[in-house]
Amino acid sequence: AQRVTQPEKLLSVFKGAPVELKCNYSYSGSPELFWYVQYSRQRLQLLLRHISRESIKGFTADLNKGETSFHLKKPFAQEEDSAMYYCALEMDSSYKLIFGSGTRLLVRP
Amino acid sequence: ETGVTQSPTHLIKTRGQQVTLRCSSQSGHNTVSWYQQALGQGPQFIFQYYREEENGRGNFPPRFSGLQFPNYSSELNVNALELNDSALYLCASSFMGLNTGELFFGEGSRLTVL
Repeated sequence: AQRVTQPEKLLSVFKGAPVELKCNYSYSGSPELFWYVQYSRQRLQLLLRHISRESIKGFTADLNKGETSFHLKKPFAQEEDSAMYYCALEMDSSYKLIFGSGTRLLVRP
Repeated sequence: ETGVTQSPTHLIKTRGQQVTLRCSSQSGHNTVSWYQQALGQGPQFIFQYYREEENGRGNFPPRFSGLQFPNYSSELNVNALELNDSALYLCASSFMGLNTGELFFGEGSRLTVL
């Protein structure tokens, strides 16, 4: 069965510290993976997608098919990174997403 | 460019009642999806509409139904409400064909069932 797992509900770090938000997936096909973010009082929005291999706001994520992971990383966290982060798997290039339960990132000054 | 808008933002119903939630897609988008987000959980896919027809459904019973109109706006209807239908209902639009997988979300309609 398709599944996305985010093992941490809350991740608290100090400003300037490295951040890694974990995401593991279960999917029999070729996965297309995304990170979505929800800042306080804003709507859910796309942060980055694995096929673009891009860095957005200093965040990167590498798809590791062997470990079925798509962890989100940033070398130096900023206070404005505090938000709810959701990892998502797209089913069959269909725009239908399976979301993980989310990780709240809190960056302390 | 107009973003995704949803109405109402909040509503309270009692068990057994019916509810209709509405969504206006982002300008130029032809696909709309609905998600249910229970407290402390990620969004869960309900169904998707493309060209006014249902184009995929998640693990939700038939009392969850929807419509997509020619202007790509959409409705989500839930009959015979149950207590565990209490959740935030998110609408998301996209343009099928670009293969980007990016969804544009509304702010949601928060439904409370008493």
